Amino acid sequence: EPEVTQTPSHQVTQMGQEVILRCVPISNHLYFYWYRQILGQKVEFLVSFYNNEISEKSEIFDDQFSVERPDGSNFTLKIRSTKLEDSAMYFCASSDTTSGDTDTQYFGPGTRLTVL
Amino acid sequence: AQSVSQHNHHVILSEAASLELGCNYSYGGTVNLFWYVQYPGQHLQLLLKYFSGDPLVKGIKGFEAEFIKSKFSFNLRKPSVQWSDTAEYFCAVSAAGNKLTFGGGTRVLVKP
Repeated sequence: EPEVTQTPSHQVTQMGQEVILRCVPISNHLYFYWYRQILGQKVEFLVSFYNNEISEKSEIFDDQFSVERPDGSNFTLKIRSTKLEDSAMYFCASSDTTSGDTDTQYFGPGTRLTVL
Repeated sequence: AQSVSQHNHHVILSEAASLELGCNYSYGGTVNLFWYVQYPGQHLQLLLKYFSGDPLVKGIKGFEAEFIKSKFSFNLRKPSVQWSDTAEYFCAVSAAGNKLTFGGGTRVLVKP
């Protein structure tokens, strides 16, 4: 069964450094999402992406964040200058536009980001 | 803005016991409803979903959920749990725009 994959599984970085989290969505999916979960808190929506542009973003997704689909398979989340409060589990998800079931999102295993 | 609340943060029960996890949402319009499960060390997996039609939906692994529109609820049930059902369970809602709004999750521990 196709799955969303994410790399790396763990990322440790110093405050102020840039990080790029990578995701490979399910191959025929065209909607992509990033969510995050700070330890002990809810899973929060960050951004959705469709047709090579952001379709929706939350107030969390400020100028420090950006997303990109650099090629036909990868979907990346970049944090330009990490802060301590960016430490969280980041989940990528994708959904299928071809079947009409665009609301069912399939999640990757997550990247645990630790900012020191 | 939509919000989702899950009533229990932790549930401990024995094998063969029945499980019911509460989920309430606030949103005035049409919503799609989901339950996701996260087994230890694994990613979020879809258990079941409700878009329309029969308000009693059946999912994988013997789980079911009932949508009660008047109560804004979508409670998850399983008549007889197994040790392998130990996991964290998340209720989620989507309205316009496809983004999911999650509840806080319920950690379920099934004792063998």
